[in-house]
Amino acid sequence: NAGVTQTPKFRVLKTGQSMTLLCAQDMNHEYMYWYRQDPGMGLRLIHYSVGEGTTAKGEVPDGYNVSRLKKQNFLLGLESAAPSQTSVYFCASRLTGGRYEQYFGPGTRLTVT
Amino acid sequence: DQQVKQNSPSLSVQEGRISILNCDYTNSMFDYFLWYKKYPAEGPTFLISISSIKDKNEDGRFTVFLNKSAKHLSLHIVPSQPGDSAVYFCAATSGTYKYIFGTGTRLKVLA
Repeated sequence: NAGVTQTPKFRVLKTGQSMTLLCAQDMNHEYMYWYRQDPGMGLRLIHYSVGEGTTAKGEVPDGYNVSRLKKQNFLLGLESAAPSQTSVYFCASRLTGGRYEQYFGPGTRLTVT
Repeated sequence: DQQVKQNSPSLSVQEGRISILNCDYTNSMFDYFLWYKKYPAEGPTFLISISSIKDKNEDGRFTVFLNKSAKHLSLHIVPSQPGDSAVYFCAATSGTYKYIFGTGTRLKVLA
């Protein structure tokens, strides 16, 4: 049982390049989330999904797109990377119902030069 | 507008003593609160939570207290151990899909 995994762990991009971060969970969770963590800012929600085929915007969605074609996968895309997107990205998932705790992946450290 | 605040960026405590981490919130619609622990280069891991209908929840060495009138929650760790050294985040949700996280408190437990 791997829990939540994220690919890649590290990446360096040049301004204007694109990339996709992959999140996978094997816990059959309905809800999935993408956060970014910046120094002194805590975790901020980028996008989230409440089920396969559905996505919604979080607090800081600009410059990112997401897709949830399969229940176990949640992809985060950067179409044209900017230095302001240098951050650590965390994916999380959780069950529906009364269990509110989220399970997080190990993170992806992205640097945009 | 920071709806969840952790005003102490860092805290140092002697091993065996109590660690108290604090969190304040402004949105009275929040009805569930969680604490996460984060080690360097790892994702946050869930520690303990509390519903707004309770004022205390315990799990081993960890206890969370909720004071709704003051919009304040605290995490108590007793006794503190060196392995507890980490960054602790509080988070709040109103039962929707979104969570608001505090900025974290770095706890250092001194041996």
